[in-house]
Amino acid sequence: QKEVEQNSGPLSVPEGAIASLNCTYSDRGSQSFFWYRQYSGKSPELIMSIYSNGDKEDGRFTAQLNKASQYVSLLIRDSQPSDSATYLCAVRGDNYGQNFVFGPGTRLSVLP
Amino acid sequence: DVKVTQSSRYLVKRTGEKVFLECVQDMDHENMFWYRQDPGLGLRLIYFSYDVKMKEKGDIPEGYSVSREKKERFSLILESASTNQTSMYLCASSYLPKAFFGQGTRLTVV
Repeated sequence: QKEVEQNSGPLSVPEGAIASLNCTYSDRGSQSFFWYRQYSGKSPELIMSIYSNGDKEDGRFTAQLNKASQYVSLLIRDSQPSDSATYLCAVRGDNYGQNFVFGPGTRLSVLP
Repeated sequence: DVKVTQSSRYLVKRTGEKVFLECVQDMDHENMFWYRQDPGLGLRLIYFSYDVKMKEKGDIPEGYSVSREKKERFSLILESASTNQTSMYLCASSYLPKAFFGQGTRLTVV
């Protein structure tokens, strides 16, 4: 069973804090990892992708990947109320064919 | 920018109707996907297509069919709409390895 797991939340952080979102996956053949942000009633928007172990930074966002532990995370620095959304982790790899497997999402609430 | 366009933002249909959801992408992507998203169940893959006239069943294909006659267009068909098909439907288009979503169609079957 190919699975991607995330804490559903809600995760509440104060404005300006670091939000840490976590994701684990079951298939060791996974090759590509993505974070999508989804505002309520809207479609998912790709915000980060990561393919190799380590950290990848883009503005206030940092994705971290540890393939040995089958773990990927997203850090949001200086969190803003506009970051309040559901964050979906998605995984793609040889064992999935051309497909993505999505986690259930973590709802983040940034409190002013 | 990649543009994935779904034909309708909101739809209300009656039970038993045949429903067509259209999706068009403008980037010559080979892979296209249809998902539905329901509270507590996340994104579930209905069908995907990796080339014109090619299709593969996803996790929940029952009650649905698809058509891909041209590379840019991927249609989802509800053969006989039922109330349990009320959902948000999301189309995605992909060039390896990334995928991009359309704006979604919120379908209500009454």
